[in-house]
Amino acid sequence: AQSVAQPEDQVNVAEGNPLTVKCTYSVSGNPYLFWYVQYPNRGLQFLLKYITGDNLVKGSYGFEAEFNKSQTSFHLKKPSALVSDSALYFCAVRVSSGGSYIPTFGRGTSLIVHP
Amino acid sequence: KAGVTQTPRYLIKTRGQQVTLSCSPISGHRSVSWYQQTPGQGLQFLFEYFSETQRNKGNFPGRFSGRQFSNSRSEMNVSTLELGDSALYLCASTTVPGEWTGELFFGEGSRLTVL
Repeated sequence: AQSVAQPEDQVNVAEGNPLTVKCTYSVSGNPYLFWYVQYPNRGLQFLLKYITGDNLVKGSYGFEAEFNKSQTSFHLKKPSALVSDSALYFCAVRVSSGGSYIPTFGRGTSLIVHP
Repeated sequence: KAGVTQTPRYLIKTRGQQVTLSCSPISGHRSVSWYQQTPGQGLQFLFEYFSETQRNKGNFPGRFSGRQFSNSRSEMNVSTLELGDSALYLCASTTVPGEWTGELFFGEGSRLTVL
């Protein structure tokens, strides 16, 4: 079955340290991968996407993600975490469904950055 | 440019009732999609509308329905509410329907509580 997984419900990191939020996927064909962030009581905001090309994708707010085809992963990274990065992060992938496509989201990873 | 607007932001209903939620997309965006967010299931795709036609549908019962008007505004309806329908319902708009290769612009959501 086509799916996306975020293996960690919560990630804790100290401010200034690098952070990684993990995502793995299973799709048929080439993957179209996305990261979104949700702040409390808000909708989701787009961070970055991978469609094709360079495996290292740079996005908003200093975030980047590395596409790894052999490991079917698309981990979100940031070199130096800020307290304001604390939020809920969603990985998403486009999956085929009934001759067209639909988006499928992971369950989300809560990132907590400690001062 | 105004963002995606969802109304109402909060509502409380009882089991068996029905509810209608509204979404106004960003000006010029003709594709609107709906999502259900719960702590247990994460973010799940409900359906997508473009040019007043439903293009895709997620795996939800027929109690969940929607429509889109000629001005691209969309509504979703849930009939015969169940306790499990308590969730944050998010709407998103985009310019290109159905391909899911671009950024989705989300509203802040309508939080439904079913008692």
